[in-house]
Amino acid sequence: DVKVTQSSRYLVKRTGEKVFLECVQDMDHENMFWYRQDPGLGLRLIYFSYDVKMKEKGDIPEGYSVSREKKERFSLILESASTNQTSMYLCASSFSGNTIYFGEGSWLTVV
Amino acid sequence: RKEVEQDPGPFNVPEGATVAFNCTYSNSASQSFFWYRQDCRKEPKLLMSVYSSGNEDGRFTAQLNRASQYISLLIRDSKLSDSATYLCVVTKSGGSYIPTFGRGTSLIVHP
Repeated sequence: DVKVTQSSRYLVKRTGEKVFLECVQDMDHENMFWYRQDPGLGLRLIYFSYDVKMKEKGDIPEGYSVSREKKERFSLILESASTNQTSMYLCASSFSGNTIYFGEGSWLTVV
Repeated sequence: RKEVEQDPGPFNVPEGATVAFNCTYSNSASQSFFWYRQDCRKEPKLLMSVYSSGNEDGRFTAQLNRASQYISLLIRDSKLSDSATYLCVVTKSGGSYIPTFGRGTSLIVHP
């Protein structure tokens, strides 16, 4: 079975802190994604990557950055967390055009 | 116009009912289509892919209408456990692969 692992499930951070969300997939997928999901707004794409060291902005990249140094790992970074970044963050991976597999999600609260 | 549109519902149906959801997409170059199921506070999981000829998996039937640019999901003999949000996903051919998600349709099956 494909496994997408988000190591941090529940986090509480203070405003202004730097936050790292890690995601690892074990199926050699070239594509990886970071979404956030908020009530009534659906899934919104923050960043995606289609290869190592490659990244593309999604619909809402402001306040976020990403890193993909190895094919299996895609990290989301909040340089200076703000309360409006309180959300559920979902990592996903896929081969192009095929099924997208999600991690279990990271629930971030910024106080 | 949103790229992928779904009626948010909720659809409130009794056990045993048949219920259908539609999802419209705006990009005629769309190539692959999926239905995902998301339970409350959980990650989306693949329910089924949607093929041009239509496909069935037990009580679930998915269809694609390229001419009218919509996909549908039919659930027969609804169970309480079918209560969830159903997300439609569309991908485009060519260039960077980015799946586009609808905001989801909420289904509540009651006794």
